[in-house]
Amino acid sequence: GAVVSQHPSRVICKSGTSVKIECRSLDFQATTMFWYRQFPKKSLMLMATSNEGSKATYEQGVEKDKFLINHASLTLSTLTVTSAHPEDSSFYICSARDGDRESSYNSPLHFGNGTRLTVT
Amino acid sequence: RKEVEQDPGPFNVPEGATVAFNCTYSNSASQSFFWYRQDCRKEPKLLMSVYSSGNEDGRFTAQLNRASQYISLLIRDSKLSDSATYLCVVDPEGHSGTYKYIFGTGTRLKVLA
Repeated sequence: GAVVSQHPSRVICKSGTSVKIECRSLDFQATTMFWYRQFPKKSLMLMATSNEGSKATYEQGVEKDKFLINHASLTLSTLTVTSAHPEDSSFYICSARDGDRESSYNSPLHFGNGTRLTVT
Repeated sequence: RKEVEQDPGPFNVPEGATVAFNCTYSNSASQSFFWYRQDCRKEPKLLMSVYSSGNEDGRFTAQLNRASQYISLLIRDSKLSDSATYLCVVDPEGHSGTYKYIFGTGTRLKVLA
């Protein structure tokens, strides 16, 4: 099945630093990837939709200058949390759909294993 | 009204029991529906897609009710390993060629020995 790899799985950084998270589709091409954030005991919240070769589409309330998304190839999207603060500590998960292999409808998301970010 | 709503639970059931969860969605034009399972501090994993005619995978049965705008998940003969949070996912925009998957808050299931 489709595999999505996310790296790093865990990162601890100091306040004010930037953190880059990578999301790769290993055995399929992903023109669209999605970035989610999940706080403890809360639902996954869509942050942005990453489109290969174009600008990401951010959800309302998500600062595009704070969460930089780059989708330079069909297999790689990156999320950079700039000038991280303790309130950015969360579980960040990327996902992608294999639009080429699966039919347009009912094409499920395949998730990376997530990145647990702790900002001290 | 939230786009996707689920009863957060928890549902505590004995082993062997049958349990059902519902999930309501607000956009009547939604085309794609899924159930995911999420274990504590892990990423969600696809459990099953939900098809218009309903579908079954072993002990799991998913149904779609378009008239009332909800999907359901039925788990028969519950196992201890079924304990997890079950997430309902709806794509309200897939019909337009773009995709935007919306997650419910999840329903927590705990199967007791």
